[in-house]
Amino acid sequence: ETGVTQSPTHLIKTRGQQVTLRCSSQSGHNTVSWYQQALGQGPQFIFQYYREEENGRGNFPPRFSGLQFPNYSSELNVNALELDDSALYLCASSLVGAGETQYFGPGTRLLVL
Amino acid sequence: AQTVTQSQPEMSVQEAETVTLSCTYDTSENNYYLFWYKQPPSRQMILVIRQEAYKQQNATENRFSVNFQKAAKSFSLKISDSQLGDTAMYFCAFLTNRDDKIIFGKGTRLHILP
Repeated sequence: ETGVTQSPTHLIKTRGQQVTLRCSSQSGHNTVSWYQQALGQGPQFIFQYYREEENGRGNFPPRFSGLQFPNYSSELNVNALELDDSALYLCASSLVGAGETQYFGPGTRLLVL
Repeated sequence: AQTVTQSQPEMSVQEAETVTLSCTYDTSENNYYLFWYKQPPSRQMILVIRQEAYKQQNATENRFSVNFQKAAKSFSLKISDSQLGDTAMYFCAFLTNRDDKIIFGKGTRLHILP
């Protein structure tokens, strides 16, 4: 069984740039959720994708967008990067359904200068 | 609003001791799920234990057990016979039937001392 993987592991961007982060879900999982974890904080929910459509969104602006592909992998795109976007971005996969446990990837550390 | 509160920012215990991490939550929902996740320095968020709110029996996983008090909205984690590898950030988390977003507490940094 393959776990959740994310790429890249680290990324440095400058303010105003755009970034794409990638996530491959655990084998058999059809749902992907993205979280932002600022330094010293708990993760905050960005959005979730199921069947290639957004299936719930947290309190993040539209410049945070995503995609899910037929193989259930996913991308998180952030436009017009701001300094406060510097964080660890975590992807979690699960089966769809109430209360299904989400399994996390190792994260992508994004630094915006 | 649904919230999760972890009142202990940091704790240290000697190896082999027992330690309890506290967590309280607030929700008006009746059906929900509670989790403890561990995040070691490697950053990977690892599920430690899960509890369904409709189950009265406290969940256990080897050295890890919870004390779930639904009326008090309390969900503490007990680690028995602590090991050096238990050193990590521990997050209490909450998920309702209404949506699939996990709400996390701010975490407790646990140090196991040799």
